[in-house]
Amino acid sequence: DTGVSQDPRHKITKRGQNVTFRCDPISEHNRLYWYRQTLGQGPEFLTYFQNEAQLEKSRLLSDRFSAERPKGSFSTLEIQRTEQGDSAMYLCASSLVSEGENEQYFGPGTRLTVT
Amino acid sequence: QKEVEQNSGPLSVPEGAIASLNCTYSDRVSQSFFWYRQYSGKSPELIMSIYSNGDKEDGRFTAQLNKASQYVSLLIRDSQPSDSATYLCAVRGTGRRALTFGSGTRLQVQP
Repeated sequence: DTGVSQDPRHKITKRGQNVTFRCDPISEHNRLYWYRQTLGQGPEFLTYFQNEAQLEKSRLLSDRFSAERPKGSFSTLEIQRTEQGDSAMYLCASSLVSEGENEQYFGPGTRLTVT
Repeated sequence: QKEVEQNSGPLSVPEGAIASLNCTYSDRVSQSFFWYRQYSGKSPELIMSIYSNGDKEDGRFTAQLNKASQYVSLLIRDSQPSDSATYLCAVRGTGRRALTFGSGTRLQVQP
């Protein structure tokens, strides 16, 4: 069990550029979540997938954000036309479908800095 | 009112003492409750989950849940300097898979 992995770990980009992040969940986990965390705050939910289906999206996920999980394994989160307010830690988590439980395990995160 | 509220701290305790961290939540029908530990610059690490009223113990950690009072707490016994971190309370509401997090309580354990 190698845990959740994310790539890249750090990304610096200029305002207006597009960025894409990747998340590989724990191998047997079929649920995958994206959160965003800014300094001094807890993570905020963005979206989640069960297998390849995107089942819930937060109002935080503006139309500049898109997420995919094409084969039910890894996922990508793309931010188009980045803004300085997008600077944050982007966290991916995964969990296993089981009766009533939802223990989510986080990856190391991708820290985005928009200049 | 925030959905999940925590005192931001810092909570300072001497080494070997019991640290008590508290969390209240607003959604009365919330079902699942979690405590995460987050070291500075790192991602959250799950340390405890609790689903029913009462206490749940795991090593030096005890989670306590009181759904009637909409209150969940984490006790850390024999606190160590390595326990110094931010502790995040997270709640899952009915019919949802997403977690709602508090802003965290910073714990400092003084050697």
